[in-house]
Amino acid sequence: GQQVMQIPQYQHVQEGEDFTTYCNSSTTLSNIQWYKQRPGGHPVFLIQLVKSGEVKKQKRLTFQFGEAKKNSSLHITATQTTDVGTYFCAVPGGSGGGADGLTFGKGTHLIIQP
Amino acid sequence: DGGITQSPKYLFRKEGQNVTLSCEQNLNHDAMYWYRQDPGQGLRLIYYSQIVNDFQKGDIAEGYSVSREKKESFPLTVTSAQKNPTAFYLCASRQRGYGQPQHFGDGTRLSIL
Repeated sequence: GQQVMQIPQYQHVQEGEDFTTYCNSSTTLSNIQWYKQRPGGHPVFLIQLVKSGEVKKQKRLTFQFGEAKKNSSLHITATQTTDVGTYFCAVPGGSGGGADGLTFGKGTHLIIQP
Repeated sequence: DGGITQSPKYLFRKEGQNVTLSCEQNLNHDAMYWYRQDPGQGLRLIYYSQIVNDFQKGDIAEGYSVSREKKESFPLTVTSAQKNPTAFYLCASRQRGYGQPQHFGDGTRLSIL
């Protein structure tokens, strides 16, 4: 079934430093979604990427979809304490709930030191 | 997310006891999901339902049961057969179709007494 590898598992940064998390698939993806989960909270949808080479920005967050549509990244510029949390990617299919379900990566935990 | 209500927020289970976690959504979504999240870990799918009166096992269904008698409701029962139930349980729903995002409830924290 569909699997997606997400790295790193944990990332410690100083406030103001940049942060990047990566998701990699062995198969070509039709789309990829990104979610953020604050400590003690629930995952919240951030964005979906569909096109090869697509780049989308949300303020300090930059999302990229690889040219081959097998990998994606989320980059945060100049991290702030509000960025703390776990960032998940999610891809269609696999065992994630039927043919049009989602399979989630294991997440990257972002820890920010003031 | 607004529209998905999970209750209770905290739940304690005694040995040999079944407990039921509630999940209600008013988003008119067809598909609903239950995930288990252990500390520092990702989301593992327990059960999912794409339509009323139908549901399927996910990756870790053993020791759990569900029902989907109404579109709005997808309760999860943690049975006594689940030997390690302590975890954070998340319910989610989504509109069927490729590319639709999932909307999550606030979760239920289950602990063993």
